[in-house]
Amino acid sequence: EPEVTQTPSHQVTQMGQEVILRCVPISNHLYFYWYRQILGQKVEFLVSFYNNEISEKSEIFDDQFSVERPDGSNFTLKIRSTKLEDSAMYFCASRKKGNQPQHFGDGTRLSIL
Amino acid sequence: ELKVEQNPLFLSMQEGKNYTIYCNYSTTSDRLYWYRQDPGKSLESLFVLLSNGAVKQEGRLMASLDTKARLSTLHITAAVHDLSATYFCAVDTNAGKSTFGDGTTLTVKP
Repeated sequence: EPEVTQTPSHQVTQMGQEVILRCVPISNHLYFYWYRQILGQKVEFLVSFYNNEISEKSEIFDDQFSVERPDGSNFTLKIRSTKLEDSAMYFCASRKKGNQPQHFGDGTRLSIL
Repeated sequence: ELKVEQNPLFLSMQEGKNYTIYCNYSTTSDRLYWYRQDPGKSLESLFVLLSNGAVKQEGRLMASLDTKARLSTLHITAAVHDLSATYFCAVDTNAGKSTFGDGTTLTVKP
């Protein structure tokens, strides 16, 4: 069964550095998402992306965040100047249609030192 | 702003017992999803509920949706240890934002 893949599985970065989290959604999916989950807490929506543009973003998704779909397969989340509070698990998800469940990747654990 | 509330947040059950998890949401939506998350793992889709009165069943789990009451339930029948996990409901807005509940951590004890 097709899967959403995320790399790296774990990223350790110094505060203030830039990080890029990578995702390869399922190939025929059209809707893409990023979420974060601080350890032991709920899943928080960051951004949704459709038709090569952001369709919705949360208040968490401020100017330090950006997303790109640089080619036909990758979907990236960039955090420009990381803060300690950015430490979390970041999940990418995709779905084929808007009323279908999202398929989640295994996540990238981001640790900011 | 859409708010999604789950209760209980923590549930400890004996094997063989039944229980219900509740998911309330604050604004109109007809797309509600249930996901399961095992510790340290990703989220797995369980149910998609797209209309008022929708009922879906898979094994010992049954989910329902009442859009008028803005309420979904996840019913567990004759719980077994393998059902121990955290269960999230999530509600979509038309703009494509998914708002998750806080999750219900279920522990099934022998």
